[in-house]
Amino acid sequence: SSELTQPLSVSVALGQTAKITCAGDYVGSKNVHWYQQKPGQAPVVVIYRDINRPSGIPERFSGSTSGSTATLTITRAQAGDEADYYCQVWDTTICVFGTGTKVTVL
Amino acid sequence: QVQLQQWGAGLLKPSETLSLTCAVSGGAFSGYYWTWVRQTPGKGLEWIGEIKYSGRPNYSPSLKSRLTISLDTPNNQFSLKLISVTAADTAVYYCARGPPDKASALGPWGQGTLVTISS
Repeated sequence: SSELTQPLSVSVALGQTAKITCAGDYVGSKNVHWYQQKPGQAPVVVIYRDINRPSGIPERFSGSTSGSTATLTITRAQAGDEADYYCQVWDTTICVFGTGTKVTVL
Repeated sequence: QVQLQQWGAGLLKPSETLSLTCAVSGGAFSGYYWTWVRQTPGKGLEWIGEIKYSGRPNYSPSLKSRLTISLDTPNNQFSLKLISVTAADTAVYYCARGPPDKASALGPWGQGTLVTISS
């Protein structure tokens, strides 16, 4: 089954750009979705199908893929972006989550 | 706007059965995969399983032997039962709506239920 590896943590200065990677053998051939989870809250999708933003998600959030790595980019990072972020794919019928990345805004 | 509201016992003893229910309101019940996900304290997300309206359930291989997910279609609800729980099953459990085509993201999600297994 798929394994999705993310960096444990990413730090970004206020107003700067953060990039969170998600690496796995099947990333290049499957849609990748990204979730933001703040403490005590349920996850919320910020990017679906690699590059699409749900309504209500700021344009500062964008997704991309290259080879076997997907990337979530947060531009002009704000204090409110501090959260855990998870990537996710469907491995045939099984849902696989990435290991998760804690984003700290300095 | 689709909303998921979940409930169930929050404190269990080892060997007991974990039971949670999730009610869906504000949208269609048919056509989607109704899903359970859990998150152990301080750790990541783990997919537990799902069930589709008029379909067979689909379980995580690691939990399959202890797990039952079922639908209560007239009441737009779905449930999770996990038997013979241990401390390793202590987690926040979430219900969520899964996409019909397995090509999009999970959402919306329930508010989560903390289930603690302790003697």
